Amino acid sequence: GQSLEQPSEVTAVEGAIVQINCTYQTSGFYGLSWYQQHDGGAPTFLSYNALDGLEETGRFSSFLSRSDSYGYLLLQELQMKDSASYFCAVRGTGRRALTFGSGTRLQVQP
Amino acid sequence: KAGVTQTPRYLIKTRGQQVTLSCSPISGHRSVSWYQQTPGQGLQFLFEYFSETQRNKGNFPGRFSGRQFSNSRSEMNVSTLELGDSALYLCASSLDPTNEKLFFGSGTQLSVL
Repeated sequence: GQSLEQPSEVTAVEGAIVQINCTYQTSGFYGLSWYQQHDGGAPTFLSYNALDGLEETGRFSSFLSRSDSYGYLLLQELQMKDSASYFCAVRGTGRRALTFGSGTRLQVQP
Repeated sequence: KAGVTQTPRYLIKTRGQQVTLSCSPISGHRSVSWYQQTPGQGLQFLFEYFSETQRNKGNFPGRFSGRQFSNSRSEMNVSTLELGDSALYLCASSLDPTNEKLFFGSGTQLSVL
């Protein structure tokens, strides 16, 4: 089976940097994705890592270490609009369907 | 380009009834997957379809079923509804099963009374 762990809540202030960690257990590994979901909204894709290292997309970066079964999402220059839930998701080998973590609720304070 | 469209947006049913939810993927997307989301539970995978074939199925009872049509539109059905089926049901589409970027619809909020 597959399981993921991520913190349930994180609080940070505007302009700061926050890191949301995700550890996973999976039989085989294909890639790690991150999604953002605002209250009442649809999840939206943020990033995907299949190989070790850092992927940067604007203010957001995602990191993966396959040997540690660990990844993180880094949000820089936090804005109030970044207040949302963030989900990591893993796909095992054989292109199994995505398994999502329970989500991390990020609250950005002024 | 229109996004993923799910209908209806809200639904209220009573225990024992059945319900059908609809999902129209982004034009050109042939892969559709369904997820159940409950508060604090994240997204639980239900099914994945590609070219009218079910590729994967999650750990849900047989009361949950789905299908995909030749135009890639998909439906899911829940029979004999239970109170615990109350949730947001999300549909996501992608170009094909090899594409990692999923596009989600706004979901159908199902309440079972």
